[in-house]
Amino acid sequence: GQQVMQIPQYQHVQEGEDFTTYCNSSTTLSNIQWYKQRPGGHPVFLIQLVKSGEVKKQKRLTFQFGEAKKNSSLHITATQTTDVGTYFCAGTGGYQKVTFGTGTKLQVIP
Amino acid sequence: DTGVSQDPRHKITKRGQNVTFRCDPISEHNRLYWYRQTLGQGPEFLTYFQNEAQLEKSRLLSDRFSAERPKGSFSTLEIQRTEQGDSAMYLCASSLDGAYNEQFFGPGTRLTVL
Repeated sequence: GQQVMQIPQYQHVQEGEDFTTYCNSSTTLSNIQWYKQRPGGHPVFLIQLVKSGEVKKQKRLTFQFGEAKKNSSLHITATQTTDVGTYFCAGTGGYQKVTFGTGTKLQVIP
Repeated sequence: DTGVSQDPRHKITKRGQNVTFRCDPISEHNRLYWYRQTLGQGPEFLTYFQNEAQLEKSRLLSDRFSAERPKGSFSTLEIQRTEQGDSAMYLCASSLDGAYNEQFFGPGTRLTVL
């Protein structure tokens, strides 16, 4: 079955440093979404990428979808304490089944 | 508040009992998803509805789990003969149809099986 892995599992950064999480799927995806989940909260949608090689930016966040549509990355520039949380990628494969990645937990040290 | 509601928010039950959870999606959303999430893990796909049709069901789901969406609006997830391993947060999400399918998650139902 479809598997989606993320690395790293955990990341501690000093406030102001950059952060990147990588997402890899075992199968080709029709699209990939990114979600953020704060402790005790539910996942909140950040963005969706559909096209091969697509790059989208949201303020300090940059999202990229790989050429083969099997991998993706999220890069945060100059992290802030409000960026704390777990970041999940979620890949859509056949029959609209969505598989969430294993997540990267980000801790920002003030 | 995303507009997706779930009831109850918490459920404590004894092993062997049946439980039922309800999800009310955003009214115009015709897709509805159920996920299970345990501590430190990502949401695990359980099943997916397009209107009232259940289009996909995880092979990880045992026969003890069943979901319905009878009128294409709210959905219920039932777990029969609960086991301690069923303890988790059960999340519901809804989205529009089409290529752009941002999922809006509800607050979840936390199940504890004693």
